[in-house]
Amino acid sequence: DAKTTQPTSMDCAEGRAANLPCNHSTISGNEYVYWYRQIHSQGPQYIIHGLKNNETNEMASLIITEDRKSSTLILPHATLRDTAVYYCIVRVTDKLIFGTGTRLQVFP
Amino acid sequence: KAGVTQTPRYLIKTRGQQVTLSCSPISGHRSVSWYQQTPGQGLQFLFEYFSETQRNKGNFPGRFSGRQFSNSRSEMNVSTLELGDSALYLCASSLGVLAAGDTQYFGPGTRLTVL
Repeated sequence: DAKTTQPTSMDCAEGRAANLPCNHSTISGNEYVYWYRQIHSQGPQYIIHGLKNNETNEMASLIITEDRKSSTLILPHATLRDTAVYYCIVRVTDKLIFGTGTRLQVFP
Repeated sequence: KAGVTQTPRYLIKTRGQQVTLSCSPISGHRSVSWYQQTPGQGLQFLFEYFSETQRNKGNFPGRFSGRQFSNSRSEMNVSTLELGDSALYLCASSLGVLAAGDTQYFGPGTRLTVL
């Protein structure tokens, strides 16, 4: 499974868009990009995933570059409840390999 | 639809004891995976079960074992507990065999403390 690189931490003002980047330069053609988040000591929460095309759901949007070597998770209107650690994961089968993630702090 | 449930939520044991944790997947989900989360090592994959068979195993000692029942419920067991086994143990379920594009949904976890 490809390795991902994310910034350690980010801040975002409440109500603004939070853009969380992820680099996955060694991604293979059949590996999906997944995003999860974990609010303190709770189980990871699934957010969104994609293969090639951009994806949007009720929680977020996922923008994947054309060469698939990086992606951005967008929370369009961040709230205080979005404060969490966000994990970007690429996998093809079997298991999720979590990195250290990005700690997003949303401030009032 | 109810989510993944794990019992117990909190557990305190002493070194040398053994422990069994339980996981009930989302209704209709047949694959169950277990993860260990510690401050030092982060989230690490333990094993995955599908149709009562272990399909994949992470890099953990044989003291860590699991099983899955015909109703897809799963248990994991840790024998001869060590202080380093203190962690949040997470269970995740998915609809079928983990294939590209399938999504795992996590339970709230069991917080195990070994004294």
